[in-house]
Amino acid sequence: QKEVEQNSGPLSVPEGAIASLNCTYSDRGSQSFFWYRQYSGKSPELIMFIYSNGDKEDGRFTAQLNKASQYVSLLIRDSQPSDSATYLCAVLNDYKLSFGAGTTVTVRA
Amino acid sequence: GAVVSQHPSRVICKSGTSVKIECRSLDFQATTMFWYRQFPKQSLMLMATSNEGSKATYEQGVEKDKFLINHASLTLSTLTVTSAHPEDSSFYICSARVPTTGNTDTQYFGPGTRLTVL
Repeated sequence: QKEVEQNSGPLSVPEGAIASLNCTYSDRGSQSFFWYRQYSGKSPELIMFIYSNGDKEDGRFTAQLNKASQYVSLLIRDSQPSDSATYLCAVLNDYKLSFGAGTTVTVRA
Repeated sequence: GAVVSQHPSRVICKSGTSVKIECRSLDFQATTMFWYRQFPKQSLMLMATSNEGSKATYEQGVEKDKFLINHASLTLSTLTVTSAHPEDSSFYICSARVPTTGNTDTQYFGPGTRLTVL
């Protein structure tokens, strides 16, 4: 059983729309949750992290965490073509990160 | 954010040779660094945890004699792929652990090294 699962992509959204990405994790003891963006051929870039239940906003990005449901999501508002990338959900346990398979997002101009 | 560099960014080598990859934290001291491997269309897989001044901790299934890790200083960790073979061709990425507010910590990634073994 995978530790971190993300909704299968690819996800295609029109420019200006909201992109919604989902992630579930299996270990209830997981401490913190991260969203990374990875462009093709590049290494992951941290977008934001969250460790408390609820919402956390940073610019056009909002992370949502529900520990009871073992669910974390990322919303990208006003999507831009430059947001086209693979988004990786990562879960921290004992200082190690476990990554989901990633969801590829394409923003159509 | 914290800056992590890697060198080289790309390397092509012949089968049977060894390749060393360097990972540096540029503006902070990293007591813990991590080495990942990513095959095409797959996610990152943790290979090992590198702790300054001590032996690395390898994940299950990763050969410690093949992937030698040295973390000799607070700003430098190296990964040496010994006797490389074509199946070792991959994207190798390091990260550094940075304590963050809220009693958590964050990992910042280097730009990665693409290894091709002929």
